[in-house]
Amino acid sequence: AQSVTQLDSQVPVFEEAPVELRCNYSSSVSVYLFWYVQYPNQGLQLLLKYLSGSTLVKGINGFEAEFNKSQTSFHLRKPSVHISDTAEYFCAVSNQPGAGTALIFGKGTTLSVSS
Amino acid sequence: DTGVSQNPRHKITKRGQNVTFRCDPISEHNRLYWYRQTLGQGPEFLTYFQNEAQLEKSRLLSDRFSAERPKGSFSTLEIQRTEQGDSAMYLCASSPGQGREKLFFGSGTQLSVL
Repeated sequence: AQSVTQLDSQVPVFEEAPVELRCNYSSSVSVYLFWYVQYPNQGLQLLLKYLSGSTLVKGINGFEAEFNKSQTSFHLRKPSVHISDTAEYFCAVSNQPGAGTALIFGKGTTLSVSS
Repeated sequence: DTGVSQNPRHKITKRGQNVTFRCDPISEHNRLYWYRQTLGQGPEFLTYFQNEAQLEKSRLLSDRFSAERPKGSFSTLEIQRTEQGDSAMYLCASSPGQGREKLFFGSGTQLSVL
């Protein structure tokens, strides 16, 4: 069975500081990995995804993530955060690339950016 | 593209009552998903439609839950004889299908069962 663990439930940072949100997964088969963001009072939006190819994936709003198969991790990073990045971030895994398979989500990490 | 729309935004009901939620996906998206999200947890998959066919159901979807997508457009999720444990945010998502992976989520319906 697949599972996702987000290692930090809350991450407070100051504006313009770098940030890393950690995600580990477990799966016995090929995995496809996603990061979604949920801004207050909005639906989840896809930030980025890893399906195959380069292990460094770039997403929207300056975020990137690196797929590390040996460490079964898919950590999300941003070199300089803004106040507007304050949101809930969810890591998710699927065993098929198509949207026909339900995603397994982690519990989420709350990123709080202050000035 | 008006996005995925869910109604109502909030629903308060008494235990034992039936409730129904509606989801309008992005037009021409043939795949539609229902998820449930409780406080401090990520979304959990409930069920999935391709057009009007319900193709997958989670074990979380008890007999009190039923979902329909009669014409392959909007969908409804009904919960019968609600219990306090049903209190959660119910999320709907749609996707174009055809191997395209991106899900578009609605803002959800927050259910509170008293």
